[in-house]
Amino acid sequence: AQTVTQSQPEMSVQEAETVTLSCTYDTSESDYYLFWYKQPPSRQMILVIRQEAYKQQNATENRFSVNFQKAAKSFSLKISDSQLGDAAMYFCACKTGANNLFFGTGTRLTVIP
Amino acid sequence: GAVVSQHPSRVICKSGTSVKIECRSLDFQATTMFWYRQFPKQSLMLMATSNEGSKATYEQGVEKDKFLINHASLTLSTLTVTSAHPEDSSFYICSARVGLAGRRGGQFFGPGTRLTVL
Repeated sequence: AQTVTQSQPEMSVQEAETVTLSCTYDTSESDYYLFWYKQPPSRQMILVIRQEAYKQQNATENRFSVNFQKAAKSFSLKISDSQLGDAAMYFCACKTGANNLFFGTGTRLTVIP
Repeated sequence: GAVVSQHPSRVICKSGTSVKIECRSLDFQATTMFWYRQFPKQSLMLMATSNEGSKATYEQGVEKDKFLINHASLTLSTLTVTSAHPEDSSFYICSARVGLAGRRGGQFFGPGTRLTVL
């Protein structure tokens, strides 16, 4: 069984500052993938970043980067130079093999102008 | 990235009626489609997984006779909420996976359908 835990229901950040969203997971599989999805007010789920568990290097996509700590089963998302458009719900998710995505409970990010 | 559409985006119906929601992969063939339900301020809960040409696999607690899923082609899956009741009011999201295994997680989401049952 998989579990994905997001311990921060809400976070806020000042515009242009950096914020880190936490995520921990648990899986017995050795081959898995981790994701961060963004859900803005439009409710459209948008893939932010993806990390393959077998890769040691942390994934980076422009202002978004992850801190993947495999031994600790931690997968945090760092958003640099936060922008107003980053305000959304952020979901951490885990996928093993050919199975479906398993989502955490989400973190609502507010960006303060 | 790949585009997934859903129709309708919003539907209001009377209690006891049935509602069909369509999910289409517009520029790719989706061998597997997923249907999620999302309550306000909550996460996405997987309802069922459907593979083209075969019966859907439902998650525990999801009534297969109430939530009928048909995946007739590689680009279309439908979810029919039969005899809808107010408690079925929710946001329904479909997702389509690229490729047979989708091991890299090439899963793309539709924009969702808000169902309100009066």
